[in-house]
Amino acid sequence: GAVVSQHPSWVICKSGTSVKIECRSLDFQATTMFWYRQFPKQSLMLMATSNEGSKATYEQGVEKDKFLINHASLTLSTLTVTSAHPEDSSFYICSARDTGLAGPYEQYFGPGTRLTVT
Amino acid sequence: AQSVAQPEDQVNVAEGNPLTVKCTYSVSGNPYLFWYVQYPNRGLQFLLKYITGDNLVKGSYGFEAEFNKSQTSFHLKKPSALVSDSALYFCAVRDGGGYNKLIFGAGTRLAVHP
Repeated sequence: GAVVSQHPSWVICKSGTSVKIECRSLDFQATTMFWYRQFPKQSLMLMATSNEGSKATYEQGVEKDKFLINHASLTLSTLTVTSAHPEDSSFYICSARDTGLAGPYEQYFGPGTRLTVT
Repeated sequence: AQSVAQPEDQVNVAEGNPLTVKCTYSVSGNPYLFWYVQYPNRGLQFLLKYITGDNLVKGSYGFEAEFNKSQTSFHLKKPSALVSDSALYFCAVRDGGGYNKLIFGAGTRLAVHP
């Protein structure tokens, strides 16, 4: 089945530093990947849509200069949280759609990355 | 705009009993509906989807969902709950935009008691 990995699974960083999170589709190609943020006991909030070879599309209210997204290949998207602050601490989840399938097919989700900013 | 509502924050069920997790939707056009499950500190796992066809959709781990157009509902069901089914369940609808984004409900926590 379709597998999406994320790395790292958890990270602790100091305030003011930057953190990069990787999202990979392991057995399929993904033109489009999605980045979500989830606060404790809350739903997923879509941050941005990552498009291979082009700029990401950010949701309203998400700072694109703070959350840098790069989708350099059909199997890899990265999210960089720049100048992280404690309020950026959250669970970040990526998902991907199989480019080889047409229609409204499901997204495959990564296991998530727990970011803690101290 | 597309949206889904999960009216229950938590559902409590005894092991062996049937369970229902409710979801209602509001869409323009044809609804594409999904159910996902999330275990603690994990990503989401796909359970099932409704695109078209039979209103009763069967999915993973013995779950099924019934699409009801007149009631705009897509409730998740299982005939006999297991303790291991305890998790957070999300209903989602496909957004009408070009990227097939998903709009998620607030989630329902299912607690199955022995």
